[in-house]
Amino acid sequence: QVQLVESGGDVVQPGTSLTLSCAASGFVFDDYAMHWVRQVPGKGLEWVAVIWYDGSNKYYADSVKGRFTIAKDFSKDTLYLQMSNLRAEDTAVYYCAKTQTGYYLAPFDSWGQGTLVTVSS
Amino acid sequence: DIVMTQSPDSLAVSLGERVTIRCKSSQNILYRSDNKNYLGWYQQTPGQPPKLLISWASTRESGVPDRFSGGGSGTDFTLTISNVQAEDVAVYYCHQFYNRPCTFGQGTKLEI
Repeated sequence: QVQLVESGGDVVQPGTSLTLSCAASGFVFDDYAMHWVRQVPGKGLEWVAVIWYDGSNKYYADSVKGRFTIAKDFSKDTLYLQMSNLRAEDTAVYYCAKTQTGYYLAPFDSWGQGTLVTVSS
Repeated sequence: DIVMTQSPDSLAVSLGERVTIRCKSSQNILYRSDNKNYLGWYQQTPGQPPKLLISWASTRESGVPDRFSGGGSGTDFTLTISNVQAEDVAVYYCHQFYNRPCTFGQGTKLEI
């Protein structure tokens, strides 16, 4: 079955960098667009970034554009989110999610358990 | 950006009751070329990630109990839970993936 396992969450200071990973299994990683979605504990869901199935296109929320980079490693079936110049408002649980179809505009049919990023001095 | 507005923000019901959660999009999310509404419904139970219940506004996902149903088109959508069970306690989110950025409703908290 589909499994998405995030890792890399940590407590970091403002202005620093952090990379999150999402190890995928149980499906053909090359065939699906992948997203990052974040959630401040106790609050709603905020879309962060998407990468096309083949890695050819990437889109970001305005709140993270220029600071975050999404990437796919096809040799490791792993999705990444490189985060730089972190701010307190980036504090959240970060989920990776798989699209139901290969296209990036599709429902998210599988989610990881999430990894917590805390940005605090 | 398309704004998704859910109502109510929270509700409390008794076991066995029927519940309807509404979601309104700020613009049409029915894609004419494939006649599909680009809307999903998710259930998030405490401490868990969201789970896709309904895709394309009305398609129930595999394994989802048939007491969950989705409806609506264009800008107005509903998630109905008939015969509410204790395990349905959760926050429910609607999600538009018609265009980017995709956006979520603010969530509706269901309590028993």
